[in-house]
Amino acid sequence: SAVISQKPSRDICQRGTSLTIQCQVDSQVTMMFWYRQQPGQSLTLIATANQGSEATYESGFVIDKFPISRPNLTFSTLTVSNMSPEDSSIYLCSVEGQNNEKLFFGSGTQLSVL
Amino acid sequence: KQEVTQIPAALSVPEGENLVLNCSFTDSAIYNLQWFRQDPGKGLTSLLLIQSSQREQTSGRLNASLDKSSGRSTLYIAASQPGDSATYLCAVNQAGTALIFGKGTTLSVSS
Repeated sequence: SAVISQKPSRDICQRGTSLTIQCQVDSQVTMMFWYRQQPGQSLTLIATANQGSEATYESGFVIDKFPISRPNLTFSTLTVSNMSPEDSSIYLCSVEGQNNEKLFFGSGTQLSVL
Repeated sequence: KQEVTQIPAALSVPEGENLVLNCSFTDSAIYNLQWFRQDPGKGLTSLLLIQSSQREQTSGRLNASLDKSSGRSTLYIAASQPGDSATYLCAVNQAGTALIFGKGTTLSVSS
């Protein structure tokens, strides 16, 4: 199993500002995933982050809005840029266990944009 | 503290069988319940979302039910196919928290 530390756990931000969410894993993992869950909606994959290469973004998400860093095999950040109230969501980091085991998730970041 | 349990942990069936995956949760004060599918190397795919006021949702061969008062949900897969082989995760959404997931049921459908 993998233990994932995600922070901050929650934040309230002003419109137009940016927030960087950190995800730290206790073991080396190849793939890290960033998800968003808007209020009342299902979970949506934002992007897949592999160490040493640029993140792969899903349809509807762009790097300028959600830049991702993956400097090593245990750490990643997701930045929500130029925030608007529509960005108010829960953001989740997840990793895949060894040998393609089940996904493990961070505890999530609950973001509210005023 | 909310806990989500999925039974069975693993299931193997021959192609064509109908099957049921079970999910239970300890705190009935949920906003919604979701079923996800996990394929290796592909992250997570959302299958069905049931709001707390709903009893069931259907998508193709999948039908998910929710009995909030008893803290249970089932995912019914009709006429299973080898392509259905994956891990299926149940998760609940409560106020002020991120999703709380069960540990999943790994399904293997043989041809």
